[in-house]
Amino acid sequence: GENVEQHPSTLSVQEGDSAVIKCTYSDSASNYFPWYKQELGKGPQLIIDIRSNVGEKKDQRIAVTLNKTAKHFSLHITETQPEDSAVYFCAALSGNTPLVFGKGTRLSVIA
Amino acid sequence: DTGVSQDPRHKITKRGQNVTFRCDPISEHNRLYWYRQTLGQGPEFLTYFQNEAQLEKSRLLSDRFSAERPKGSFSTLEIQRTEQGDSAMYLCASSQGLGETQYFGPGTRLLVL
Repeated sequence: GENVEQHPSTLSVQEGDSAVIKCTYSDSASNYFPWYKQELGKGPQLIIDIRSNVGEKKDQRIAVTLNKTAKHFSLHITETQPEDSAVYFCAALSGNTPLVFGKGTRLSVIA
Repeated sequence: DTGVSQDPRHKITKRGQNVTFRCDPISEHNRLYWYRQTLGQGPEFLTYFQNEAQLEKSRLLSDRFSAERPKGSFSTLEIQRTEQGDSAMYLCASSQGLGETQYFGPGTRLLVL
């Protein structure tokens, strides 16, 4: 089955700097890759997603890139703000199989 | 607020008791998913429904876990004879269909004493 690895597990950046979180997946048939942000005591909130027919997608300060050949995808947050501090999860989906999540990255933005 | 609601938000129970959680998905979504999340981990898939049909239940953690979606709207997840290892956050998500974005509810945090 699908296996998703996520790195780093923790990340600290200064306010205004960029943050990059990377994920790799194992199933070449995976075709949908969402990123979720989870704040303490809350459920995961979708922040951006990408499908396998697209290499990059951007939404204001957030961007995701996908390299299907290497089977990895990355989340980029620019001009980080303290409210970006949270745990971020990547996930991968292949056809009718369950969404498989990485173990998460705890991002701390230091003011 | 994603539009997915879960009740209760918190549940404390004693080992051996049964618990039931409810999830109300976004109204036009025909797929409903249950996940479990333990501390420091990503959500782990348990089961899902398309309308009232439960299409995958082999990932339920044991036969003490069961889920229903009787009318294709809300769903319940029941854990019988709870154990301390069942302590976790139980998340519900819904989507419009296969391969569509899943929106999560706020979760039910279970503590088994």
